[in-house]
Amino acid sequence: GAVVSQHPSWVICKSGTSVKIECRSLDFQATTMFWYRQFPKQSLMLMATSNEGSKATYEQGVEKDKFLINHASLTLSTLTVTSAHPEDSSFYICSARVLEGSPLHFGNGTRLTVT
Amino acid sequence: GQNIDQPTEMTATEGAIVQINCTYQTSGFNGLFWYQHHAGEAPTFLSYNVLDGLEEKGRFSSFLSRSKGYSYLLLKELQMKDSASYLCAVSDSNYQLIWGAGTKLIIKP
Repeated sequence: GAVVSQHPSWVICKSGTSVKIECRSLDFQATTMFWYRQFPKQSLMLMATSNEGSKATYEQGVEKDKFLINHASLTLSTLTVTSAHPEDSSFYICSARVLEGSPLHFGNGTRLTVT
Repeated sequence: GQNIDQPTEMTATEGAIVQINCTYQTSGFNGLFWYQHHAGEAPTFLSYNVLDGLEEKGRFSSFLSRSKGYSYLLLKELQMKDSASYLCAVSDSNYQLIWGAGTKLIIKP
């Protein structure tokens, strides 16, 4: 089955630094990948849609200059949290799909803690 | 606007049956998905409905009525491990996924 690998699984960084999270589709090509964030005790929140070879589409309220998304190839999308602050501490998950309308395949998520 | 509604929280007893409803209003329809999500883990795909009717997969079944903009996820023989959030998502005319806020299901012994 389709596998999505997300790295790192967890990261601790100091306030003001930047953190990059990678999302890879291992056995399929994904023209579209999605990035989510989960706050404690809340549901997944879609942050942005990452399109290969073009700019990401951000959801309302998500700062595009803070959460940089790059989708340089059909198998890799990256999310960079720039100038991280403690309030950015959260669980970030990516997903990808083979075709439009097909089920999403999720990465295992990244637990980010900003101290 | 586009909207997905599902209950915020439900409680059920181990061994019982629970039905989680989802109503939607979207620009077009290309299918409805149900996902199970344990906090801190990757969501798990449960079902996909694009035609009216009931799809059964073991203890889980999903129903769709496109004319009513309505779906439900039915969980039978509930187990403690079924305690999770259940997310309803609709694929609209552009294949964009519109997500519900999720239903937190609490299973009690």
